[in-house]
Amino acid sequence: GQNIDQPTEMTATEGAIVQINCTYQTSGFNGLFWYQQHAGEAPTFLSYNVLDGLEEKGRFSSFLSRSKGYSYLLLKELQMKDSASYLCAPLDSNYQLIWGAGTKLIIKP
Amino acid sequence: GAVVSQHPSWVICKSGTSVKIECRSLDFQATTMFWYRQFPKQSLMLMATSNEGSKATYEQGVEKDKFLINHASLTLSTLTVTSAHPEDSSFYICSARESLDYNEQFFGPGTRLTVL
Repeated sequence: GQNIDQPTEMTATEGAIVQINCTYQTSGFNGLFWYQQHAGEAPTFLSYNVLDGLEEKGRFSSFLSRSKGYSYLLLKELQMKDSASYLCAPLDSNYQLIWGAGTKLIIKP
Repeated sequence: GAVVSQHPSWVICKSGTSVKIECRSLDFQATTMFWYRQFPKQSLMLMATSNEGSKATYEQGVEKDKFLINHASLTLSTLTVTSAHPEDSSFYICSARESLDYNEQFFGPGTRLTVL
């Protein structure tokens, strides 16, 4: 079957760094997306990895290891507005996104 | 670029009525659109995949006669919730995949449906 595993909730302090881990099992693999979703809003795109390694984009970086079925999202210099759910979504062989429940990130001052 | 709109943003209706939700890709052509439903504190659930000019493919457990999907053009897909009931109250989100790019899906802002 297809499965996504992320922590349900994480708490971090404003200005700090946090790493959100994701492990996945999918039928085929065509890359992995990270989305941010604020409460009551639709997901917004953060990053896409298809090759192993680290992709850096401003305060956000995403890492992928295809052999391990593992990815992480790294958020630096945390701001209060980063409080949201972060969704790890691999793309399967049919180019469909597989969604987990996401990780709710709480930022404290 | 790559903007997807949904209309309406929110709707309240009486039980038994039908509600239509529109999803438009504003600046690109989308051969494939996806309809999701999300209940509070739960993950996005794919309801159906809609390809322009053909019938939608529904996920297991989603009633195709209740959730009518039409993808008549490369920029518009509609979801009609027929004979809505309170348990259909949810957040409905569409996404669109650009025809020449099979990877990224661009999401609409979502529609909050409340059935009384």
